[in-house]
Amino acid sequence: GAVVSQHPSWVICKSGTSVKIECRSLDFQATTMFWYRQFPKQSLMLMATSNEGSKATYEQGVEKDKFLINHASLTLSTLTVTSAHPEDSSFYICSASPPGARSATEAFFGQGTRLTVV
Amino acid sequence: AQKITQTQPGMFVQEKEAVTLDCTYDTSDPSYGLFWYKQPSSGEMIFLIYQGSYDQQNATEGRYSLNFQKARKSANLVISASQLGDSAMYFCAMRFSGSARQLTFGSGTQLTVLP
Repeated sequence: GAVVSQHPSWVICKSGTSVKIECRSLDFQATTMFWYRQFPKQSLMLMATSNEGSKATYEQGVEKDKFLINHASLTLSTLTVTSAHPEDSSFYICSASPPGARSATEAFFGQGTRLTVV
Repeated sequence: AQKITQTQPGMFVQEKEAVTLDCTYDTSDPSYGLFWYKQPSSGEMIFLIYQGSYDQQNATEGRYSLNFQKARKSANLVISASQLGDSAMYFCAMRFSGSARQLTFGSGTQLTVLP
């Protein structure tokens, strides 16, 4: 099956620094990828839609200057948490679907990144 | 408004027995897809099963089956012959028609399989 790889799987950073998370589709091209955030014991909430070659679309309440998204190629999207603070500590996970007919029926997730800001 | 509801925060099942995890949804869109994912403590999201709104038959994948009742807007997951490794969080998710293709998730059900 299709594989989506996310890196790093966990990161600890100091308050005020920036952290970059990568999401790669390994065996298909993804013009669109999705970034979700999950707090402990809660569901996944969509943060933004990453679009290859154009600006990301952010959900209401998500600061675009705080969470920078770059979709520079058809297989890579990056999420950069800028000037991270302890309240940004969370589990971040990306998703992508294969193109064509499979885009409706399949959605694959990366392994997720557990961010801890100290 | 499009919404997914999972009313069971936690469920317990005895090993080797079957368990049903509930999921209801609300949409006026005639075209949609329903997904179930398993999330173990490691955090990864494991795809289990998919049901399309126009599919005539209930989806099945090994020990997983989906009890799709379109008129009631429910898509319950049935796990047969539960195993200890089935203990995890289970999420129901919905994808609506349109170009974005993002998923909207329910609140999840924590399943614990007892030996």
